[in-house]
Amino acid sequence: AQSVAQPEDQVNVAEGNPLTVKCTYSVSGNPYLFWYVQYPNRGLQFLLKYITGDNLVKGSYGFEAEFNKSQTSFHLKKPSALVSDSALYFCAVRDTGGFKTIFGAGTRLFVKA
Amino acid sequence: ETGVTQTPRHLVMGMTNKKSLKCEQHLGHNAMYWYKQSAKKPLELMFVYNFKEQTENNSVPSRFSPECPNSSHLFLHLHTLQPEDSALYLCASSQDSGRETQYFGPGTRLLVL
Repeated sequence: AQSVAQPEDQVNVAEGNPLTVKCTYSVSGNPYLFWYVQYPNRGLQFLLKYITGDNLVKGSYGFEAEFNKSQTSFHLKKPSALVSDSALYFCAVRDTGGFKTIFGAGTRLFVKA
Repeated sequence: ETGVTQTPRHLVMGMTNKKSLKCEQHLGHNAMYWYKQSAKKPLELMFVYNFKEQTENNSVPSRFSPECPNSSHLFLHLHTLQPEDSALYLCASSQDSGRETQYFGPGTRLLVL
């Protein structure tokens, strides 16, 4: 069965510093991996996805994620954090056989000015 | 604005009431989803519809009844809910491929008294 884990409930970063939000996954076949962000009182917004190809995926708002098959990880990164990046971040893995997406529990990112 | 709208945005109901949540997507997608988001819990997939047919029912209690009259509209009918059903209910849509990104509505914040 597919699963995804976000080991950190919260990440605190100073503005201007690099940030990393961690995600590990477990799938039986080739993974389809996603990152979504949720701002207060809003639905989830798509940031980026990995389907195949280059292990480094670039997404919206300067975010990127690196797919690491040997470590079964898909960490979200940004070289320089902004206060406006403060939000709830979800990693997700897609069921390759159907329409079921499994979401992680979410990591709350606080960027301090 | 993601192209997915939900009404109402907020709903307070008693345990004996009957109400409905509405979702509409303007993206030409063929798959639609209901999710439940509770505090401190992972996002829970409730139902999936593909080309108006229900393809996933994630062991949801019968007091939640989905309806998908066409590919653009999705309803969630609520009756005799419990206080623990209070949550943010999110609707999403995607193309009919398993690799496609989901687009989320802003959600309906439900409070059951």
